[in-house]
Amino acid sequence: GESVGLHLPTLSVQEGDNSIINCAYSNSASDYFIWYKQESGKGPQFIIDIRSNMDKRQGQRVTVLLNKTVKHLSLQIAATQPGDSAVYFCAEYIKGGKLIFGQGTELSVKP
Amino acid sequence: DAGVIQSPRHEVTEMGQEVTLRCKPISGHNSLFWYRQTMMRGLELLIYFNNNVPIDDSGMPEDRFSAKMPNASFSTLKIQPSEPRDSAVYFCASSLGIGEKLFFGSGTQLSVL
Repeated sequence: GESVGLHLPTLSVQEGDNSIINCAYSNSASDYFIWYKQESGKGPQFIIDIRSNMDKRQGQRVTVLLNKTVKHLSLQIAATQPGDSAVYFCAEYIKGGKLIFGQGTELSVKP
Repeated sequence: DAGVIQSPRHEVTEMGQEVTLRCKPISGHNSLFWYRQTMMRGLELLIYFNNNVPIDDSGMPEDRFSAKMPNASFSTLKIQPSEPRDSAVYFCASSLGIGEKLFFGSGTQLSVL
């Protein structure tokens, strides 16, 4: 089927720790994946993206890993800060140009 | 830089009324998307346009929903007549083109009583 799902709906971490948010996708033909962050009352905000010809991409404090063999995507946030508290979505481009979103993981950072 | 601009931010209406949501995409972006977000169904793609032409409206839930893009800088999503189950946050997003990353507006919180 065409779906993007997340393993855990909530994640709680201590400030300063690293966070890992996981995502499974089902469409093996998808070649572009995006992570978004959504804070309360706001629209989703682009964090980082990765194309299928890569297995890792790094940004500022964030890293996305792509494992095409098991159709798994992860977002790693280094030294998590209170401002990182939000809902994180993985999104997958499927045929026809549709960007489909997963269910989201709520990240809570404890001071 | 102005991002995607949506109006109104909040809309409260009564069942049966017509609702019109508005969106101004980022200048220079050729693709525009309408999403609906609810707790139960998450972010659902309703319809998207490329160069002002609707490409896929298969996500539009019913004939009560319609969307237009009369020019490159404006789009509307209309619900007529509205029902309580239409209550949700409606997001507009734009991108340089199909297959590019989307930039979202702040959304319209719609409540149908």
